[in-house]
Amino acid sequence: SQKIEQNSEALNIQEGKTATLTCNYTNYSPAYLQWYRQDPGRGPVFLLLIRENEKEKRKERLKVTFDTTLKQSLFHITASQPADSATYLCALATGGFKTIFGAGTRLFVKA
Amino acid sequence: DTGVSQDPRHKITKRGQNVTFRCDPISEHNRLYWYRQTLGQGPEFLTYFQNEAQLEKSRLLSDRFSAERPKGSFSTLEIQRTEQGDSAMYLCASSSPSTSGRNTGELFFGEGSRLTVL
Repeated sequence: SQKIEQNSEALNIQEGKTATLTCNYTNYSPAYLQWYRQDPGRGPVFLLLIRENEKEKRKERLKVTFDTTLKQSLFHITASQPADSATYLCALATGGFKTIFGAGTRLFVKA
Repeated sequence: DTGVSQDPRHKITKRGQNVTFRCDPISEHNRLYWYRQTLGQGPEFLTYFQNEAQLEKSRLLSDRFSAERPKGSFSTLEIQRTEQGDSAMYLCASSSPSTSGRNTGELFFGEGSRLTVL
């Protein structure tokens, strides 16, 4: 069956460190992979999109990698801040109309 | 505010009642999506509209659920005879097609409508 897996355990890191979140998927061949941020009680906010033919994408303190052989994406936040604390969702555009989401990983950045 | 807006933000209802949620997408977006999200889970796809046409429905969308987008602008999601299992956050998102016309997955979400069924 098709699955998107994100680490269900929360990630706790110290301010200033780099946070790395993992997204693995099975039985998909997505053309696009996205990362979203979601704060409690609010809708997801789009952060970054990476295409299947791109290995890496950067935006300010964010970096995303996409390995279509391993079927994995890594999401990095460098110089993390307490304001980065949120749930981060990995999503795939499946080629049709749907975008499929993982369950998300909660990140806590301690001051 | 030019983002996606949803109404109401919170709805508490008794089992068996009908509820309706409204979504106003970003005005230039012709694609509109409804998702459902429960605690600790990611958003689950319910349905998709391109303009006024409902092009895809999830098997999650039982006969008690109906969605419309009559003029290709705002959309409504109605749940009839609500059950406790319908308690969730109902999220609306919109997008514009990429230059290639493909779905890139870049969605703009509203703040959601939280439903509690007692």
